[in-house]
Amino acid sequence: KAGVTQTPRYLIKTRGQQVTLSCSPISGHRSVSWYQQTPGQGLQFLFEYFSETQRNKGNFPGRFSGRQFSNSRSEMNVSTLELGDSALYLCASGGQAGTEAFFGQGTRLTVV
Amino acid sequence: QKEVEQDPGPLSVPEGAIVSLNCTYSNSAFQYFMWYRQYSRKGPELLMYTYSSGNKEDGRFTAQVDKSSKYISLFIRDSQPSDSATYLCAMSADKGGSEKLVFGKGTKLTVNP
Repeated sequence: KAGVTQTPRYLIKTRGQQVTLSCSPISGHRSVSWYQQTPGQGLQFLFEYFSETQRNKGNFPGRFSGRQFSNSRSEMNVSTLELGDSALYLCASGGQAGTEAFFGQGTRLTVV
Repeated sequence: QKEVEQDPGPLSVPEGAIVSLNCTYSNSAFQYFMWYRQYSRKGPELLMYTYSSGNKEDGRFTAQVDKSSKYISLFIRDSQPSDSATYLCAMSADKGGSEKLVFGKGTKLTVNP
Protein backbone atom coordinates (compact mmCIF):
# COMPACT_ATOMS: atom_id res chain seq x y z
CA LYS A 1 0.00 0.00 0.00
CA ALA A 2 1.47 3.35 -0.99
CA GLY A 3 2.10 5.83 1.80
CA VAL A 4 1.31 9.50 2.01
CA THR A 5 2.86 11.41 -0.89
CA GLN A 6 3.74 15.06 -0.67
CA THR A 7 4.96 17.20 -3.52
CA PRO A 8 7.19 19.00 -4.03
CA ARG A 9 9.82 17.92 -1.48
CA TYR A 10 11.65 21.23 -1.50
CA LEU A 11 10.66 24.78 -2.40
CA ILE A 12 12.39 28.11 -2.30
CA LYS A 13 10.20 31.19 -2.56
CA THR A 14 10.67 34.90 -2.01
CA ARG A 15 8.75 37.04 0.44
CA GLY A 16 5.37 38.13 -0.82
CA GLN A 17 4.92 35.19 -3.17
CA GLN A 18 2.37 32.47 -2.71
CA VAL A 19 2.85 28.72 -2.70
CA THR A 20 0.72 25.61 -3.12
CA LEU A 21 1.66 22.27 -1.60
CA SER A 22 0.06 18.95 -2.48
CA CYS A 23 -0.71 15.82 -0.50
CA SER A 24 -2.05 12.46 -1.64
CA PRO A 25 -3.25 10.39 1.34
CA ILE A 26 -3.12 6.65 1.76
CA SER A 27 -5.67 4.96 -0.45
CA GLY A 28 -8.99 4.73 1.36
CA HIS A 29 -8.18 7.43 3.89
CA ARG A 30 -10.58 10.33 3.88
CA SER A 31 -9.03 12.54 6.53
CA VAL A 32 -6.06 14.76 5.71
CA SER A 33 -4.38 17.05 8.19
CA TRP A 34 -1.63 19.58 7.71
CA TYR A 35 1.06 20.50 10.21
CA GLN A 36 3.87 23.02 10.29
CA GLN A 37 7.13 21.94 11.89
CA THR A 38 9.79 24.43 12.97
CA PRO A 39 12.72 24.02 15.37
CA GLY A 40 11.30 26.60 17.74
CA GLN A 41 7.63 25.63 17.82
CA GLY A 42 7.73 21.96 16.94
CA LEU A 43 4.76 20.44 15.13
CA GLN A 44 1.73 22.70 15.01
CA PHE A 45 -1.66 21.80 13.62
CA LEU A 46 -2.85 23.86 10.66
CA PHE A 47 -6.13 22.30 9.57
CA GLU A 48 -7.90 19.04 8.83
CA TYR A 49 -10.15 18.04 5.98
CA PHE A 50 -12.57 15.17 5.83
CA SER A 51 -14.67 14.40 2.76
CA GLU A 52 -13.83 17.78 1.20
CA THR A 53 -14.91 19.74 4.31
CA GLN A 54 -12.63 21.56 6.71
CA ARG A 55 -13.37 19.95 10.04
CA ASN A 56 -10.76 21.54 12.32
CA LYS A 57 -8.53 24.56 12.13
CA GLY A 58 -5.49 25.58 14.14
CA ASN A 59 -4.34 29.04 15.17
CA PHE A 60 -2.78 30.25 11.96
CA PRO A 61 -3.53 33.44 10.02
CA GLY A 62 -5.89 33.46 7.09
CA ARG A 63 -2.91 33.45 4.69
CA PHE A 64 -2.89 29.70 5.28
CA SER A 65 -5.68 27.89 3.51
CA GLY A 66 -6.42 24.49 2.14
CA ARG A 67 -8.85 22.33 0.28
CA GLN A 68 -9.60 18.71 -0.36
CA PHE A 69 -10.76 17.14 -3.57
CA SER A 70 -13.26 14.34 -4.11
CA ASN A 71 -10.41 11.81 -4.43
CA SER A 72 -9.19 12.90 -0.94
CA ARG A 73 -6.09 14.61 -2.31
CA SER A 74 -5.45 17.86 -0.54
CA GLU A 75 -3.65 21.10 -1.23
CA MET A 76 -2.59 23.85 1.10
CA ASN A 77 -1.86 27.37 0.02
CA VAL A 78 0.14 30.09 1.72
CA SER A 79 -0.23 33.59 0.34
CA THR A 80 1.98 36.62 0.90
CA LEU A 81 4.84 34.54 2.21
CA GLU A 82 6.86 35.76 5.17
CA LEU A 83 10.32 34.70 6.29
CA GLY A 84 8.74 33.04 9.32
CA ASP A 85 6.81 30.68 7.08
CA SER A 86 10.01 28.77 6.39
CA ALA A 87 9.31 25.32 7.79
CA LEU A 88 8.70 21.68 7.06
CA TYR A 89 5.06 21.25 6.10
CA LEU A 90 3.73 17.81 6.87
CA CYS A 91 0.58 16.12 5.70
CA ALA A 92 -1.00 13.27 7.63
CA SER A 93 -3.78 10.96 6.55
CA GLY A 94 -6.06 8.91 8.74
CA GLY A 95 -8.79 6.37 8.36
CA GLN A 96 -12.32 6.68 9.67
CA ALA A 97 -11.67 4.84 12.91
CA GLY A 98 -8.94 5.61 15.38
CA THR A 99 -6.56 8.46 15.49
CA GLU A 100 -3.49 6.91 13.96
CA ALA A 101 -2.07 9.54 11.69
CA PHE A 102 0.41 8.54 9.00
CA PHE A 103 2.70 11.27 7.81
CA GLY A 104 4.27 12.02 4.48
CA GLN A 105 7.90 13.04 4.03
CA GLY A 106 7.00 16.69 4.10
CA THR A 107 7.68 19.71 1.93
CA ARG A 108 10.53 21.88 3.10
CA LEU A 109 9.69 25.48 2.29
CA THR A 110 12.35 28.15 2.47
CA VAL A 111 11.29 31.77 2.16
CA VAL A 112 14.09 34.21 1.26
CA GLN B 1 1.77 26.00 30.73
CA LYS B 2 2.04 24.19 27.42
CA GLU B 3 -0.48 21.43 26.77
CA VAL B 4 2.30 18.87 26.22
CA GLU B 5 5.78 19.07 27.70
CA GLN B 6 8.66 16.93 26.49
CA ASP B 7 12.32 17.20 27.44
CA PRO B 8 14.17 18.04 24.22
CA GLY B 9 17.37 16.34 25.33
CA PRO B 10 19.62 15.62 23.60
CA LEU B 11 19.90 12.15 25.07
CA SER B 12 22.98 10.06 24.33
CA VAL B 13 23.22 6.38 25.37
CA PRO B 14 25.46 3.42 24.57
CA GLU B 15 24.19 0.62 22.37
CA GLY B 16 22.18 -1.92 24.36
CA ALA B 17 20.98 0.57 26.97
CA ILE B 18 17.36 0.93 28.05
CA VAL B 19 16.02 4.30 26.99
CA SER B 20 13.19 6.09 28.77
CA LEU B 21 11.39 8.96 27.06
CA ASN B 22 8.62 10.91 28.75
CA CYS B 23 5.92 13.50 28.22
CA THR B 24 3.61 15.26 30.61
CA TYR B 25 0.37 16.95 29.65
CA SER B 26 -2.19 19.25 31.18
CA ASN B 27 -5.40 18.51 29.26
CA SER B 28 -7.35 15.79 31.06
CA ALA B 29 -9.50 15.29 27.94
CA PHE B 30 -6.65 13.56 26.11
CA GLN B 31 -7.46 9.89 25.62
CA TYR B 32 -5.34 8.81 22.66
CA PHE B 33 -1.58 8.76 22.98
CA MET B 34 1.02 8.18 20.31
CA TRP B 35 4.76 8.03 19.91
CA TYR B 36 6.39 8.95 16.63
CA ARG B 37 9.97 8.53 15.49
CA GLN B 38 11.40 11.08 13.10
CA TYR B 39 14.68 10.62 11.31
CA SER B 40 16.49 13.67 9.99
CA ARG B 41 14.80 15.13 6.91
CA LYS B 42 11.95 12.61 7.08
CA GLY B 43 8.34 12.72 8.18
CA PRO B 44 7.30 11.30 11.57
CA GLU B 45 6.71 7.55 11.63
CA LEU B 46 4.08 6.13 13.98
CA LEU B 47 5.65 3.79 16.54
CA MET B 48 3.02 3.21 19.20
CA TYR B 49 -0.64 4.08 19.70
CA THR B 50 -2.47 3.59 22.98
CA TYR B 51 -5.89 4.45 24.27
CA SER B 52 -6.45 5.60 27.86
CA SER B 53 -4.22 4.26 30.64
CA GLY B 54 -2.10 1.14 30.59
CA ASN B 55 0.85 -0.47 28.88
CA LYS B 56 1.42 -1.59 25.33
CA GLU B 57 4.39 -3.57 24.10
CA ASP B 58 5.67 -4.01 20.56
CA GLY B 59 9.00 -5.72 20.21
CA ARG B 60 11.65 -3.63 21.92
CA PHE B 61 9.22 -0.76 22.50
CA THR B 62 6.86 -0.34 25.45
CA ALA B 63 4.46 2.56 25.84
CA GLN B 64 2.96 3.45 29.20
CA VAL B 65 0.14 5.86 29.96
CA ASP B 66 -0.71 7.09 33.45
CA LYS B 67 -3.72 9.33 33.09
CA SER B 68 -3.96 10.01 36.82
CA SER B 69 -0.51 11.61 36.69
CA LYS B 70 -0.93 12.94 33.14
CA TYR B 71 2.31 11.23 32.21
CA ILE B 72 3.28 8.99 29.32
CA SER B 73 6.47 7.08 28.66
CA LEU B 74 8.19 5.18 25.90
CA PHE B 75 10.80 2.58 26.79
CA ILE B 76 13.25 1.22 24.26
CA ARG B 77 15.05 -1.98 25.28
CA ASP B 78 18.37 -3.09 23.81
CA SER B 79 18.73 0.22 21.99
CA GLN B 80 20.44 0.17 18.59
CA PRO B 81 22.27 2.87 16.62
CA SER B 82 19.35 2.72 14.15
CA ASP B 83 17.13 4.02 16.97
CA SER B 84 18.97 7.36 16.78
CA ALA B 85 16.24 9.83 15.88
CA THR B 86 13.91 12.41 17.38
CA TYR B 87 11.00 10.91 19.32
CA LEU B 88 7.77 12.85 19.44
CA CYS B 89 4.85 12.20 21.74
CA ALA B 90 1.41 13.19 20.50
CA MET B 91 -2.04 13.07 21.97
CA SER B 92 -5.62 13.73 21.09
CA ALA B 93 -8.98 14.05 22.78
CA ASP B 94 -10.99 12.93 19.76
CA LYS B 95 -11.22 9.71 17.87
CA GLY B 96 -11.89 9.74 14.19
CA GLY B 97 -8.98 10.34 11.87
CA SER B 98 -5.92 12.48 11.77
CA GLU B 99 -7.45 15.55 13.31
CA LYS B 100 -5.78 17.78 15.75
CA LEU B 101 -2.93 15.97 17.40
CA VAL B 102 -1.01 17.94 19.98
CA PHE B 103 2.68 17.17 19.87
CA GLY B 104 5.56 17.49 22.26
CA LYS B 105 8.60 19.21 20.80
CA GLY B 106 10.50 15.94 20.58
CA THR B 107 13.51 14.36 22.28
CA LYS B 108 16.61 13.83 20.19
CA LEU B 109 18.16 10.44 20.93
CA THR B 110 21.60 9.23 19.88
CA VAL B 111 22.58 5.59 20.44
CA ASN B 112 26.34 5.18 20.25
CA PRO B 113 27.84 1.92 18.93
